Amino acid sequence: AQKVTQAQTEISVVEKEDVTLDCVYETRDTTYYLFWYKQPPSGELVFLIRRNSFDEQNEISGRYSWNFQKSTSSFNFTITASQVVDSAVYFCALSEDYLRSGAGSYQLTFGKGTKLSVIP
Amino acid sequence: DADVTQTPRNRITKTGKRIMLECSQTKGHDRMYWYRQDPGLGLRLIYYSFDVKDINKGEISDGYSVSRQAQAKFSLSLESAIPNQTALYFCATSDLRWPDTQYFGPGTRLTVL
Repeated sequence: AQKVTQAQTEISVVEKEDVTLDCVYETRDTTYYLFWYKQPPSGELVFLIRRNSFDEQNEISGRYSWNFQKSTSSFNFTITASQVVDSAVYFCALSEDYLRSGAGSYQLTFGKGTKLSVIP
Repeated sequence: DADVTQTPRNRITKTGKRIMLECSQTKGHDRMYWYRQDPGLGLRLIYYSFDVKDINKGEISDGYSVSRQAQAKFSLSLESAIPNQTALYFCATSDLRWPDTQYFGPGTRLTVL
């Protein structure tokens, strides 16, 4: 069974500090996909990034960066120079290999989320 | 306009009442999903549908039913609502070509008294 662990329940940082959100996953699949979603106080879920298991290159998008390490089954998310607008709950998620599952029990497994508060 | 819409956005109902949550999408995606979110538990899958004739149970389907009326519409019903079904409900869609990437609606906050 798949599992996603976000050990940090809540984090508070002062504006302009860097912050890293941890995500550790478990899967028996060799091909899988990892995601980060943002849930601001308004409640919607915003897709941030998708990474497949064969691509271990780090990715940077503006102030956001992601570090994927298969050796430690981790997919961590760093926000550089945090801003108040970054305050949200962040979810890490894992999906199985859809090519294998075909029409079977496809499912996106979410971690329990990390609530980030950026203090002005 | 939003690609995935959910109605209603907020609903308060009483125990035993039947309630339907609706989801519509203009993304042209084949796959649709219903999740519920509870504080501290993340999102859990209730039902998913790969096309109009394909409905599948998710992790927590007991007490819920769904209907895929068209490619663009997927409804979630609570036949007899109970208080522990109070939660935030999300609809999501994904493209057949990249089924792993799901796009979420704005959510429906349901309170069962």
